[in-house]
Amino acid sequence: KAGVTQTPRYLIKTRGQQVTLSCSPISGHRSVSWYQQTPGQGLQFLFEYFSETQRNKGNFPGRFSGRQFSNSRSEMNVSTLELGDSALYLCASSLTPMNTEAFFGQGTRLTVV
Amino acid sequence: GIQVEQSPPDLILQEGANSTLRCNFSDSVNNLQWFHQNPWGQLINLFYIPSGTKQNGRLSATTVATERYSLLYISSSQTTDSGVYFCAVEETSYDKVIFGPGTSLSVIP
Repeated sequence: KAGVTQTPRYLIKTRGQQVTLSCSPISGHRSVSWYQQTPGQGLQFLFEYFSETQRNKGNFPGRFSGRQFSNSRSEMNVSTLELGDSALYLCASSLTPMNTEAFFGQGTRLTVV
Repeated sequence: GIQVEQSPPDLILQEGANSTLRCNFSDSVNNLQWFHQNPWGQLINLFYIPSGTKQNGRLSATTVATERYSLLYISSSQTTDSGVYFCAVEETSYDKVIFGPGTSLSVIP
């Protein structure tokens, strides 16, 4: 079956702009989690959605938000981009929240200039 | 919050050698997973192992939850094993996933 699909793969934005990233989970998976990976901070948890509801959130400012649709696809949005938001954004899907194996997409590489 | 440490931070192996990677965590966890991130950035789930021992081919993992550590064994290493190995734990209290800093492995022919 198809894996986790993230689009776009690469993105370049200017400071102050906003960006929306998309994640389509494995068919049948209802939980989607988002992570940010940077050289300085490593992998950090952003938030998790299950059945269209945000279950929890990491320590990120309100500029980072997300949502999940009825087909389990998820989007995350970053407003008022800062240079420090440049990172690899990864999403993972699992059958149920955080208590089963998680499978990751290839990520979206965001560069803010 | 919970602290996750991994050792060693870097490891260089000759092809065919064996290695052991360690993950220590500072509090009880609901879940522990091992991942491999290849040089192209793709994260692959290796093991879901909150406790006990599992094996998959040349890889095996053991988690001793009562002593708050997990070990990943790689036997007969191959160049395709190169990349970064992360352990990730789910906090019991805050229901968040925390990743360790990773072990960067380079397997040379």
